[in-house]
Amino acid sequence: GNSVTQMEGPVTLSEEAFLTINCTYTATGYPSLFWYVQYPGEGLQLLLKATKADDKGSNKGFEATYRKETTSFHLEKGSVQVSDSAVYFCALSDLQRAAGNKLTFGGGTRVLVKP
Amino acid sequence: DTGVSQDPRHKITKRGQNVTFRCDPISEHNRLYWYRQTLGQGPEFLTYFQNEAQLEKSRLLSDRFSAERPKGSFSTLEIQRTEQGDSAMYLCASSFGTSGPGELFFGEGSRLTVL
Repeated sequence: GNSVTQMEGPVTLSEEAFLTINCTYTATGYPSLFWYVQYPGEGLQLLLKATKADDKGSNKGFEATYRKETTSFHLEKGSVQVSDSAVYFCALSDLQRAAGNKLTFGGGTRVLVKP
Repeated sequence: DTGVSQDPRHKITKRGQNVTFRCDPISEHNRLYWYRQTLGQGPEFLTYFQNEAQLEKSRLLSDRFSAERPKGSFSTLEIQRTEQGDSAMYLCASSFGTSGPGELFFGEGSRLTVL
């Protein structure tokens, strides 16, 4: 079945540091890939997505490239801010399945950015 | 535009009691999902509705769990004879059928504690 593995946290960084969160996946078919973010006290929200190989998703200074050859979708940001402190979830959606936009999530990576 | 709302936000119950959670999706969304999230883990898919039809249920959804979406609007998730292992955050999400893959809009969740 489908699965998503992402690096464990917490990841602690200083403001303006470079952030990378590794994500690899196992899937049948041709999944779409996503990063969701959960800020403290809020629900999960979509950060970015990529729907086919070599696509790059980007939003709020974050980027991730869909790498089919390495089955990876690593999240990066060049200069983090305190406001980026959150839990980040990598996820995939296999549209071969009938269940609409059903997502399989990784375990989440907590990021703490210190001033 | 209101987002996905869930009620109650917190529920503490004794083992063996029944509990019910309600989810009100974004009004124009025809798809509704329930996920469960335990501490330190990513959300796990439980079930999915398109309009009032329940189209898929996870094996995680034991016979003690039942979900309904009677008029294709709000949904309820009932857990009968709760067990301590049911303690988790129950997340509801919604999406519109023709939106892009994986663009789920999540509520803030209902946290269940079973004593």
